[in-house]
Amino acid sequence: GENVEQHPSTLSVQEGDSAVIKCTYSDSASNYFPWYKQELGKRPQLIIDIRSNVGEKKDQRIAVTLNKTAKHFSLHITETQPEDSAVYFCAVGSNDYKLSFGAGTTVTVRA
Amino acid sequence: SAVISQKPSRDICQRGTSLTIQCQVDSQVTMMFWYRQQPGQSLTLIATANQGSEATYESGFVIDKFPISRPNLTFSTLTVSNMSPEDSSIYLCSGGANGETQYFGPGTRLLVL
Repeated sequence: GENVEQHPSTLSVQEGDSAVIKCTYSDSASNYFPWYKQELGKRPQLIIDIRSNVGEKKDQRIAVTLNKTAKHFSLHITETQPEDSAVYFCAVGSNDYKLSFGAGTTVTVRA
Repeated sequence: SAVISQKPSRDICQRGTSLTIQCQVDSQVTMMFWYRQQPGQSLTLIATANQGSEATYESGFVIDKFPISRPNLTFSTLTVSNMSPEDSSIYLCSGGANGETQYFGPGTRLLVL
């Protein structure tokens, strides 16, 4: 499958600060880039996604940016809250709809 | 969005036995997939469950070990055959109406002794 690298592996932020997670991919045919949030013992939950014809998408405190030329995309969480603490996974998809996942980022929001 | 349920939620099995996991979606979905997630790890795609035809397996996964059925657009099963302790993991199914956007089931936690 697609090779997806995700950084950082862990991220600790003060409540109210911003968090940024970055992913890179290798296949230029990739055209779908979702982000999932997984709380301990729970299922991965889709929080935002972007397609290759869009450079940026925002949903309240969450935004995703995509740079297709450089083959990287990022998740931005602003005004972080304790409930944002979780593991976040980026993923990459293409026309066959299969997803390749990054290794995950454990985000801890300190109160 | 699709609401996905799985049964069983967890199980403890003896080595050499088989377990079948069921995945039910509340609406018809184009694509269904099965993933494995080791504790503290990312998700690894096992196979694409094709409706009415044989599943498509990823590298490292074979039909004899992980037979999959998908009799219709809302249901699929994954069997973990001849289990060993290395098969202990969380198994998740996913599905999406438009194929691209995928929603996950709650997972099945399997422990093989």
